Amino acid sequence: ELKVEQNPLFLSMQEGKNYTIYCNYSTTSDRLYWYRQDPGKSLESLFVLLSNGAVKQEGRLMASLDTKARLSTLHITAAVHDLSATYFCAVLGFKTIFGAGTRLFVKA
Amino acid sequence: NAGVTQTPKFRVLKTGQSMTLLCAQDMNHEYMYWYRQDPGMGLRLIHYSVGEGTTAKGEVPDGYNVSRLKKQNFLLGLESAAPSQTSVYFCASMSSGGATGELFFGEGSRLTVL
Repeated sequence: ELKVEQNPLFLSMQEGKNYTIYCNYSTTSDRLYWYRQDPGKSLESLFVLLSNGAVKQEGRLMASLDTKARLSTLHITAAVHDLSATYFCAVLGFKTIFGAGTRLFVKA
Repeated sequence: NAGVTQTPKFRVLKTGQSMTLLCAQDMNHEYMYWYRQDPGMGLRLIHYSVGEGTTAKGEVPDGYNVSRLKKQNFLLGLESAAPSQTSVYFCASMSSGGATGELFFGEGSRLTVL
């Protein structure tokens, strides 16, 4: 059974700092998603990673996928307050299973 | 550009009442999903469908039923609502082919069971 684990679950960081969110999953998959959710809103797609070694960047966020290690990372560079949100990873099988989410708070 | 539309967006039920949530997508997607999200938690898969006329159980299917009579619609039913089913429900759809296989979400339906 596919399990998806994210850590940390909560992250409070200062503006300008860097940090990484980790997403581990338990079974083979070559498709992983990262989403952002603001309070009371739906999920916004950030990245779709489709193959081993895939790396995608958008602004201050960069995501990577290592299918052999069953690990994806979401790296935040020089955080700003607007990045405060909850970030989810999800792994595609027949069922798309989500991690518990990382609540990120960036302090000004 | 409707995408994925959920109705209703808000509903309050009494324990034991029944209701149906409707998810409609206009992207001709084969795969459709129902998730629930509880406060401070991630999304848990209730049921999913890989095509018209098919449904399958997800992580937390108990207390829910689904139907996919038309490709564009995926219905989630609660036959006898319980307070534990108070949650925000999200529908999502995805194409089975295509380069990105991206999952598209509706805006969510907030259900309160008293």
